[in-house]
Amino acid sequence: GQQLNQSPQSMFIQEGEDVSMNCTSSSIFNTWLWYKQDPGEGPVLLIALYKAGELTSNGRLTAQFGITRKDSFLNISASIPSDVGIYFCAGSGSARQLTFGSGTQLTVLP
Amino acid sequence: NAGVMQNPRHLVRRRGQEARLRCSPMKGHSHVYWYRQLPEEGLKFMVYLQKENIIDESGMPKERFSAEFPKEGPSILRIQQVVRGDSAAYFCASSPQSRGSGANVLTFGAGSRLTVL
Repeated sequence: GQQLNQSPQSMFIQEGEDVSMNCTSSSIFNTWLWYKQDPGEGPVLLIALYKAGELTSNGRLTAQFGITRKDSFLNISASIPSDVGIYFCAGSGSARQLTFGSGTQLTVLP
Repeated sequence: NAGVMQNPRHLVRRRGQEARLRCSPMKGHSHVYWYRQLPEEGLKFMVYLQKENIIDESGMPKERFSAEFPKEGPSILRIQQVVRGDSAAYFCASSPQSRGSGANVLTFGAGSRLTVL
């Protein structure tokens, strides 16, 4: 089956710093999605990417769909305390259901 | 404009009992997915359903687990004879369409947290 490697597993950063996390896949994906999950809640969609090479922004968040269609990254600029949470990449290829990465736990220190 | 509604949010069962988790998709969404999340792990796909049809159940254990999405009412994930290893958060998600770029964009509910004693 499809496998996703997400890194880093966790990050501790100072408020105001930029953050970058990425995912690589063992197979080609047609869609890449980035979700954020707060404790006790479900994942919330941040950015959706549909085309190889696509670069999309949502406020301070920027994500890219890799040219090879096997990777994606998410950048968060000028981090703030409410950015704390777990960030998941997810992708789908020939199968309709999403495959999720193992998550990046982000901690923002004041 | 309610999102994906799941209930119960928390469920405690003893080993051997049955657990029933319910999910109402977003208005206008006809595709439902169930995922399981163990502590400090990502979400693992279980089953994908449309009204009255199971489309893909490749991620669901063959025994004790079943899912349905009837013509009327919510989707149900049923776990019979629960064991401690079934303790997890179960998330339901829905999507609006069967084709196109938005077909794989899922909106998730807040989850149902099952604890098996």
